[in-house]
Amino acid sequence: DGGITQSPKYLFRKEGQNVTLSCEQNLNHDAMYWYRQDPGQGLRLIYYSQIVNDFQKGDIAEGYSVSREKKESFPLTVTSAQKNPTAFYLCASSIGARDGTEAFFGQGTRLTVV
Amino acid sequence: AQSVTQLGSHVSVSEGALVLLRCNYSSSVPPYLFWYVQYPNQGLQLLLKYTTGATLVKGINGFEAEFKKSETSFHLTKPSAHMSDAAEYFCAVSGNTGRRALTFGSGTRLQVQP
Repeated sequence: DGGITQSPKYLFRKEGQNVTLSCEQNLNHDAMYWYRQDPGQGLRLIYYSQIVNDFQKGDIAEGYSVSREKKESFPLTVTSAQKNPTAFYLCASSIGARDGTEAFFGQGTRLTVV
Repeated sequence: AQSVTQLGSHVSVSEGALVLLRCNYSSSVPPYLFWYVQYPNQGLQLLLKYTTGATLVKGINGFEAEFKKSETSFHLTKPSAHMSDAAEYFCAVSGNTGRRALTFGSGTRLQVQP
């Protein structure tokens, strides 16, 4: 079945550590996105990529980094510079070629700083 | 810039009652509008979307929404609530801005009372 796979589902990080969240899709979508979800704040865009080897900052990119070396993969690294990383992280993808196309979401990764 | 405002962070209805979740948008270009549903600790699932054409859009699970340009609204309705409708609902917007990523509202949690 086609879809988006995020791993791990739960992740614990010590303060000062970098962690990488995985996102893989087999939908043959060009565009991929990372969102952060906090209670009462909806989803906020961290980074997005419309094509391989290219990505842009979203609204809250500070303390995060991404890469897009393969069409199927868009990993997110939460660096030690991110002061409040505890949140639910959602990866999404879309066809990307046209405006108005919907995004398909993975099941999310819950990151907790301990 | 585009934005979405969802009025009411929590809505409670009785089983069988009308569901009305409110969404107002701000956009300098013709918008594309979406409603998503999220069950606890899961990703988002598309309920319906408006791109062009008919302003009354029907989605999955008996939901529908009407695009009203004069009111800049895209409210979600369902004639009769079911216990399984209890979830969080997000309205989102995108447009011809070159950034195809969706911009989300803060969400509305729907409770359905027996």
